[in-house]
Amino acid sequence: QSALTQPASVSGSPGQSITISCTGTSSDIGSYNYVSWYQQHPDKAPQVIIYEATKRPSGISVRFSGTVSGNTASLTISGLQTEDEADYYCASYAGRSTLLFGEGTKVTVL
Amino acid sequence: QVQLQESAPGLVTPSQTLSLTCTVSGDSIASGGSYWSWIRQRPGKGPEWIGYIYHTGSTFSNPSLQRGVMISVVPSKNQFSLKMTSVTAADTAVYYCARQVRGEGYNKWYFDLWGRGTLVTVSS
Repeated sequence: QSALTQPASVSGSPGQSITISCTGTSSDIGSYNYVSWYQQHPDKAPQVIIYEATKRPSGISVRFSGTVSGNTASLTISGLQTEDEADYYCASYAGRSTLLFGEGTKVTVL
Repeated sequence: QVQLQESAPGLVTPSQTLSLTCTVSGDSIASGGSYWSWIRQRPGKGPEWIGYIYHTGSTFSNPSLQRGVMISVVPSKNQFSLKMTSVTAADTAVYYCARQVRGEGYNKWYFDLWGRGTLVTVSS
């Protein structure tokens, strides 16, 4: 099983919206609604920002939203802020009690 | 406040066994409300799910690891552990323990709480 595919980097100016894609297959993203997104600042543990593809945990800004279409999940950050500069990882259940992570996307706020 | 804390040796010799323990505070493993996972992150790479365990001892591990992975739990100590045999330099990574969310009898497959992580280096 290969890791999910994400762009290596995405950038935007403060206030703009950016979208990060996460491409899998019909065996993972395309089959299950268990897609999650994590934000990781340098030398910190990842933190979940989206779970079950579209749901936000309590305390997570409404600026973060998730969608799924076919085998691709997407994370949109609206009203980009400097504190959003971090690495972002997607993850998806892949059947047979196993989980895949994405390769990660570095978000830069210009 | 729920916290997870990994403990590990830091340096492991190639071909030896890597052993880590995660101590949970503020939540009870024995309550059965969550699954308990190990995740690692090699330098500059994305996370890699290693496996999880339930308080009953039921466990699942990532088949892609292709090695001896053993996850165990001691509910009375509120601890769970990871052992990986025959490690190589490729096992050098930050190892995290994490709480995996459980719905009403099913796995929701995401992690709502992580430990701070511990760097394990495999080197002679």
